[in-house]
Amino acid sequence: DGGITQSPKYLFRKEGQNVTLSCEQNLNHDAMYWYRQDPGQGLRLIYYSQIVNDFQKGDIAEGYSVSREKKESFPLTVTSAQKNPTAFYLCASSIRQLLAGRNEQFFGPGTRLTVL
Amino acid sequence: DQQVKQNSPSLSVQEGRISILNCDYTNSMFDYFLWYKKYPAEGPTFLISISSIKDKNEDGRFTVFLNKSAKHLSLHIVPSQPGDSAVYFCAASGAGGTSYGKLTFGQGTILTVHP
Repeated sequence: DGGITQSPKYLFRKEGQNVTLSCEQNLNHDAMYWYRQDPGQGLRLIYYSQIVNDFQKGDIAEGYSVSREKKESFPLTVTSAQKNPTAFYLCASSIRQLLAGRNEQFFGPGTRLTVL
Repeated sequence: DQQVKQNSPSLSVQEGRISILNCDYTNSMFDYFLWYKKYPAEGPTFLISISSIKDKNEDGRFTVFLNKSAKHLSLHIVPSQPGDSAVYFCAASGAGGTSYGKLTFGQGTILTVHP
């Protein structure tokens, strides 16, 4: 089965601790994305990567870091510098978009992070 | 700066009737638009999309309409079913440079279909 996995489903951490959320895909997609969803708000882009060993900041990158050492994996670290880390985090992937047109992103099931 | 807006936070519809979800955008560089459906505590799933060169796209019970001059798109669901109850997000993709691949999402509309 091709898809995107995120683990764990629920994560609890103490304030001041860094935490890493995992995202793995076996869709052979080049591009991967991290979004954050807060109640009553849409999805906001944190970081994205179009190819291995390259990534760009999204709209709300402060307090987050990523790496892209393998095509299949795009882990997100929520650092202690992130002021409001409690949220629902979603990972997505797509084919690499080089031209205007179809850009369908496929999403994982999400990780609910709660910082106590 | 909210470039994609869904001004109705919620919509309630009777089973069998039409559901119309609306979305407005401000960036004239957007050239591809998508609708996603999301259940609580799950990732969004892709529903239907439309390119800016078209004004309508149909897929079964779902139709998306695009009015470029008004920078407005809408999703029609006919007939609505209780299983359609979810949050619906519209998203837009822009053209040019590193904007390729990035999606900008609206805030979402909660659709409730009553039996």
